[in-house]
Amino acid sequence: SSELTQDPAVSVALGQTVRITCQGDSLRSYYASWYQQKPGQAPVLVIYGKNNRPSGIPDRFSGSSSGNTASLTITGAQAEDEADYYCNSRDSSGNHHVVFGGGTKLTVL
Amino acid sequence: QVQLVESGGGLVKPGGSLRLSCAASGFTFSDYYMSWIRQAPGKGLEWVSYISSSGSTIYYADSVKGRFTISRDNAKNSLYLQMNSLRAEDTAVYYCARAKNDYGDYLDIWGQGTMVTVSS
Repeated sequence: SSELTQDPAVSVALGQTVRITCQGDSLRSYYASWYQQKPGQAPVLVIYGKNNRPSGIPDRFSGSSSGNTASLTITGAQAEDEADYYCNSRDSSGNHHVVFGGGTKLTVL
Repeated sequence: QVQLVESGGGLVKPGGSLRLSCAASGFTFSDYYMSWIRQAPGKGLEWVSYISSSGSTIYYADSVKGRFTISRDNAKNSLYLQMNSLRAEDTAVYYCARAKNDYGDYLDIWGQGTMVTVSS
């Protein structure tokens, strides 16, 4: 089955731009979706498909993909963006499964 | 408003069983694929299973296949997860989530989760 790899932790200065990446073979075939999870809360979908934001998600969140890597970019990070971020996608091995990355802890300095 | 509410979690002994429920409201439940995702304490998200809108298509993670059964009752706007032969490693918060597409990956609505603890 496929795996998705994320950096465990990333930091960004307040107001700066940060990119969180997700790597895996399945991303050559399928787009990733991205979830934000704050402590004690359920995950929230922030990006899905090529670069789609659900209603209510600020436009500072954007997504992109190249080869086996998907990226979530936060342009002008805010204090409230400090959270864990997870990517997921379909498994490309033909088993119809879904895979999640291990998550990235974003710290806003 | 669009909402998912899980219930049924609790403390169970290894080898025991538990049935989780997820009540949906605010949308046409029968139009959507639904998923179960779990999160062990201090760990990341793990996909468990998804079911198609009609219930005819079902897939499971290898870690639960043969032990867990996903089902739905569209007349009751409810999703279920029957968990048998529970193990310590099944201890986690279990979330139900709505899939935005006809698959189990774009999960746009999540419940608040229900805690399952497997311990003697």
